[in-house]
Amino acid sequence: GAGVSQSPSNKVTEKGKDVELRCDPISGHTALYWYRQRLGQGLEFLIYFQGNSAPDKSGLPSDRFSAERTGESVSTLTIQRTQQEDSAVYLCASSPGASGGITDTQYFGPGTRLTVL
Amino acid sequence: DQQVKQNSPSLSVQEGRISILNCDYTNSMFDYFLWYKKYPAEGPTFLISISSIKDKNEDGRFTVFLNKSAKHLSLHIVPSQPGDSAVYFCAASEGGNNRKLIWGLGTSLAVNP
Repeated sequence: GAGVSQSPSNKVTEKGKDVELRCDPISGHTALYWYRQRLGQGLEFLIYFQGNSAPDKSGLPSDRFSAERTGESVSTLTIQRTQQEDSAVYLCASSPGASGGITDTQYFGPGTRLTVL
Repeated sequence: DQQVKQNSPSLSVQEGRISILNCDYTNSMFDYFLWYKKYPAEGPTFLISISSIKDKNEDGRFTVFLNKSAKHLSLHIVPSQPGDSAVYFCAASEGGNNRKLIWGLGTSLAVNP
């Protein structure tokens, strides 16, 4: 079946512009995550959606970052007034969201490489 | 402050030999650990995991060992194959409803034919 898809695969923007990144999770997965990976760094958690619960936004680095998810489907990550330090690969992952407190396996998309000039 | 540390940025191994990738953590509350593999231009893919109630988990050529007292885990690949060449990430979580994974910086493994 289809995996997690992300678009665009690459985005080059000018400092100060807004960008919107899209994630299509695996169908039926209730949990969705956004991460970013800067050059030479590990994956950095940004935000987590689980079903209809309030999202965990604790990883968002500033109020320029926001994300939305419609039900249990598509999610968009928006970065307003982009800065050069926002340049990174933005990864989306989804998981089945099984109950019981067991960490689900996260399935990752290929990422969006954002370059802010 | 890195809570999950992979101190070797790269490792080179001969085909057929054992690859050992190491990971150390500082947060004693971590109780679930995972290894992911990442090829260039692709997202990470899940490889193997271990719960803190175990000290070993094996899946084919891949075995993960956990030493809780030392806050150390390792991934063994035996025998190593050229297709195993990738970046390997160690990740940890506190389990429960906290599904935020804390990631290491990765180790780039090269398996030479």
